[in-house]
Amino acid sequence: DGGITQSPKYLFRKEGQNVTLSCEQNLNHDAMYWYRQDPGQGLRLIYYSQIVNDFQKGDIAEGYSVSREKKESFPLTVTSAQKNPTAFYLCASSIDWTVGSYNSPLHFGNGTRLTVT
Amino acid sequence: DAKTTQPTSMDCAEGRAANLPCNHSTISGNEYVYWYRQIHSQGPQYIIHGLKNNETNEMASLIITEDRKSSTLILPHATLRDTAVYYCIVRVARNSGNTPLVFGKGTRLSVIA
Repeated sequence: DGGITQSPKYLFRKEGQNVTLSCEQNLNHDAMYWYRQDPGQGLRLIYYSQIVNDFQKGDIAEGYSVSREKKESFPLTVTSAQKNPTAFYLCASSIDWTVGSYNSPLHFGNGTRLTVT
Repeated sequence: DAKTTQPTSMDCAEGRAANLPCNHSTISGNEYVYWYRQIHSQGPQYIIHGLKNNETNEMASLIITEDRKSSTLILPHATLRDTAVYYCIVRVARNSGNTPLVFGKGTRLSVIA
């Protein structure tokens, strides 16, 4: 079945350590996204990628980094510079990013819950 | 950028229709209305979207007012599994091209047996 896989589901790290969250999709989607969700809050955009080897900062990119070397993969690194890294992280993809393509819904993974102590 | 306003929470009896309202009074003519839902500790799930006309699929119906300033998502026969947070989103468009969907806090729907 096609879909988005995020791993691991739960992740624990010590403060000061970098950690990389995995996101893989087999939907052949061009665009991929990372969102962060805090308890009782909506989703906030961290980074997004329209196509392989290209990505842009979202609303809260500070303390995070990404890469898009393959179409299927969009890993997110939470660096030690991120002041409040404990959160629920969601990866998503959509078919394309063409101008005027308002018709392209997002497909989400089931998230990684990161706890930093 | 068009913003949306939704009630914080709603209850619905199992088997009855759940009508979730959304206000988007500043919507632009080429912006779609999207609805997603998020069941606890899972990723959001796409439900439906529309531009001007009413839309229906196997999950729900979307009713958009003629002036497009508000819409209603209808779950015709709510079940306990429909308990979730429902997000109404208007696709934001900027001069540089498309931008990702912006999620607010949504409406927490509780379906009660």
